[in-house]
Amino acid sequence: DGGITQSPKYLFRKEGQNVTLSCEQNLNHDAMYWYRQDPGQGLRLIYYSQIVNDFQKGDIAEGYSVSREKKESFPLTVTSAQKNPTAFYLCASSIVPNGETQYFGPGTRLLVL
Amino acid sequence: GENVEQHPSTLSVQEGDSAVIKCTYSDSASNYFPWYKQELGKGPQLIIDIRSNVGEKKDQRIAVTLNKTAKHFSLHITETQPEDSAVYFCAASRGRALTFGSGTRLQVQP
Repeated sequence: DGGITQSPKYLFRKEGQNVTLSCEQNLNHDAMYWYRQDPGQGLRLIYYSQIVNDFQKGDIAEGYSVSREKKESFPLTVTSAQKNPTAFYLCASSIVPNGETQYFGPGTRLLVL
Repeated sequence: GENVEQHPSTLSVQEGDSAVIKCTYSDSASNYFPWYKQELGKGPQLIIDIRSNVGEKKDQRIAVTLNKTAKHFSLHITETQPEDSAVYFCAASRGRALTFGSGTRLQVQP
């Protein structure tokens, strides 16, 4: 059963804590993306990776970090430097690295305690 | 960078009527325009897309039109059904990643 999985579905962060959101795909897609969605708003690009061991900053990368050590995995760390982390985080992948035909995972909702 | 504006922000139609959502983009180099449907608490689902070398594309009750000169594109849903109720997002890309509009909440009244 192919697709994109994100875990956990809900995540709680305490003040000063780093948390890591998981994104895995078994579609053999080259490119992967992280977006942030705030209530009533569109998606904003955090980071993207067009190939293993390479990634680029998106429009709102401050306070976030990523790694791409394996083709199927693209974890996102929300660091303590991100002062307003409460949001819905969406991971996507595409078969080619030009941003077209992206498929999304189910999302992780991050809440601050 | 690219900027995508989407209108209206909410749209209510009667079942069986048509719905139209419009988007404009700023970067004339953008060449790919997808539309996504997002249900509450879920990830967006790609429903149709169009590339800049095509003016119109249809898939059953859904169609998208593109006017490159005016830099705007539209989603048309005919014979709407209650299950079409969701938030719809347009997006634009010029070969990197997508820039999204702010979304349209479509409500189809039975």
